Amino acid sequence: NAGVTQTPKFQVLKTGQSMTLQCAQDMNHEYMSWYRQDPGMGLRLIHYSVGAGITDQGEVPNGYNVSRSTTEDFPLRLLSAAPSQTSVYFCASRASTGGNQPQHFGDGTRLSIL
Amino acid sequence: GENVEQHPSTLSVQEGDSAVIKCTYSDSASNYFPWYKQELGKRPQLIIDIRSNVGEKKDQRIAVTLNKTAKHFSLHITETQPEDSAVYFCAASRAAGNKLTFGGGTRVLVKP
Repeated sequence: NAGVTQTPKFQVLKTGQSMTLQCAQDMNHEYMSWYRQDPGMGLRLIHYSVGAGITDQGEVPNGYNVSRSTTEDFPLRLLSAAPSQTSVYFCASRASTGGNQPQHFGDGTRLSIL
Repeated sequence: GENVEQHPSTLSVQEGDSAVIKCTYSDSASNYFPWYKQELGKRPQLIIDIRSNVGEKKDQRIAVTLNKTAKHFSLHITETQPEDSAVYFCAASRAAGNKLTFGGGTRVLVKP
């Protein structure tokens, strides 16, 4: 049981490049989310999903796309990378049943945009 | 939407003393309040959570209190140890849905 797995762990991009951050969970969780964490700050919600085929915007969605074709995977796409998107990105998942369930976080992806 | 404010932003305590971190939230419909600990370069880890039907919850040296009327909740760490040094985040969400809103974090330093 690996939990929430994020790849890559580190990435450097040039301005204007696109890339996909991968997130997979093996806990059969319905809810998945992407957060970004800037230095010295809390986590801000980018996009989230309450199940396969359903996604919605969070607090800071601009410049990012997501899709949820399976329960296990929730990739985050940067369409045209900008220096302002330099951050640590965390994926999280949680079960939807039994009342409020705790979020399980991946190890994060450290992304630098030059 | 929900807004969570967390104070203080930094907290320095002597080993063995207590540490208290306070959070306020804006959405009266929020009813789930987790606390996360994040060590440098690591993922946030859930340390304790509380639901709105409970006023206080304790787990060994860690306790959380909730005042729904005033819309604030607090984390209490007693008998602090050097390994408690980390950044702590509070968060709030409604029962339904997946939008967990985080506070800005408190950097706790426990001095031996």
